[in-house]
Amino acid sequence: QQQVKQSPQSLIVQKGGIPIINCAYENTAFDYFPWYQQFPGKGPALLIAIRPDVSEKKEGRFTISFNKSAKQFSLHIMDSQPGDSATYFCAASPSGGYQKVTFGIGTKLQVIP
Amino acid sequence: EPEVTQTPSHQVTQMGQEVILRCVPISNHLYFYWYRQILGQKVEFLVSFYNNEISEKSEIFDDQFSVERPDGSNFTLKIRSTKLEDSAMYFCASRGGTGGWGETQYFGPGTRLLVL
Repeated sequence: QQQVKQSPQSLIVQKGGIPIINCAYENTAFDYFPWYQQFPGKGPALLIAIRPDVSEKKEGRFTISFNKSAKQFSLHIMDSQPGDSATYFCAASPSGGYQKVTFGIGTKLQVIP
Repeated sequence: EPEVTQTPSHQVTQMGQEVILRCVPISNHLYFYWYRQILGQKVEFLVSFYNNEISEKSEIFDDQFSVERPDGSNFTLKIRSTKLEDSAMYFCASRGGTGGWGETQYFGPGTRLLVL
């Protein structure tokens, strides 16, 4: 019940494409859903986060869609660039992120020029 | 921009040896965390620390692990007798704690531990 399931594990898109990464959860106590971006040799860095009473959130080229009833959320990257090539983790946490963050398995994204 | 720092960046040790991983959280943060990531796997929570005590720990964080905030700036993770399966990237994170939903946990760059 603590798991966050993420797919796909790897993704290759052409520059300008819209990669979509999907996640699902079971624990209804989760109320904070961040996405982290990780470049090789670096720690995860917060990209964007959403709360379950919002169905969509956009920050620049990154959009989270959230379906509370299905317990699913997804990340879309508009107009993807080679610099977006990284590993993306969806995650979830109860209590607004005060407690531990549970990570998905990660998606390695490669954007081809 | 303030950042979490970790030392060393890489550590190689023999099985059974003790290691101490060090972290300097962001200076005014109140909540501290350790996570680990075994190669090719997801990031896993180990322990959270607040007000000089452990607030939550995972089943991974057994008696071989301990955490300490020895002074006002450092936050350490000690593994008393390392096992081969402790080989992983260890991330420290900190969170401000001024309240409010979605306050970010900031992650350090990690220490890659290799146990031989």
